[in-house]
Amino acid sequence: QSALTQPASVSGSPGQSITISCTGTSSDVGSYNLVSWYQQHPGKAPKLMIYECSKRPSGVSNRFSGSKSGNTASLTISGLQAEDEADYYCCSYAGSNTVAFGGGTKVTVL
Amino acid sequence: QVQLQESGPGLVKPSETLSLTCAVSGYSISSGYYWGWIRQPPGKGLEWIGNIYHSGTTYYNPSLKSRVTISVDTSTNHFSLNLNSVTAADTAVYYCARVWSSGSYAVYFEYWGQGTLVTVSS
Repeated sequence: QSALTQPASVSGSPGQSITISCTGTSSDVGSYNLVSWYQQHPGKAPKLMIYECSKRPSGVSNRFSGSKSGNTASLTISGLQAEDEADYYCCSYAGSNTVAFGGGTKVTVL
Repeated sequence: QVQLQESGPGLVKPSETLSLTCAVSGYSISSGYYWGWIRQPPGKGLEWIGNIYHSGTTYYNPSLKSRVTISVDTSTNHFSLNLNSVTAADTAVYYCARVWSSGSYAVYFEYWGQGTLVTVSS
């Protein structure tokens, strides 16, 4: 089981759209539509933002969207706002009842 | 509203056992769902430790499996984490969470505790 690969940082100006990638393998991201994304503000617990690659839990803004192609999942934040500045983690089912997280991406709103 | 609260020693000596408990309120563990532990070393990313079902079925991160035990006590509505032979590398904020399943796959951490920092040091 290996960690999924995310860029260390992504930045954008208010109102812009940004996309965070999450690259796994054919043993995890590529084999299952079971990718989730979490938002974590400093000193806080993570919050589930996307599940099953592209679905949003109740209460999550529709500015957040997810997708997957092959071994790579993506999280797009549209209409970037100051409150979106946080760390974002992807997570995938990795077989044999295990899960793996990505290394995390720090989003900065310029 | 489901709430989770971690508790346990904030300081553990190297080679000893780290023991944490997660108290669940607003939902009865015996009613279902998996329950999980995740940790985050200071300034680093999230690492899944393991999940437990209310029946006691457990699944662990292969990299920690030899040192981890997760148990559940439905009578008191809490579940616990034991991690033995700890080193400084086990210093982290430890979170407990309720795990939401997609079909038979317990993969989504929907409710989280606030986390508790455990430092391994002599």
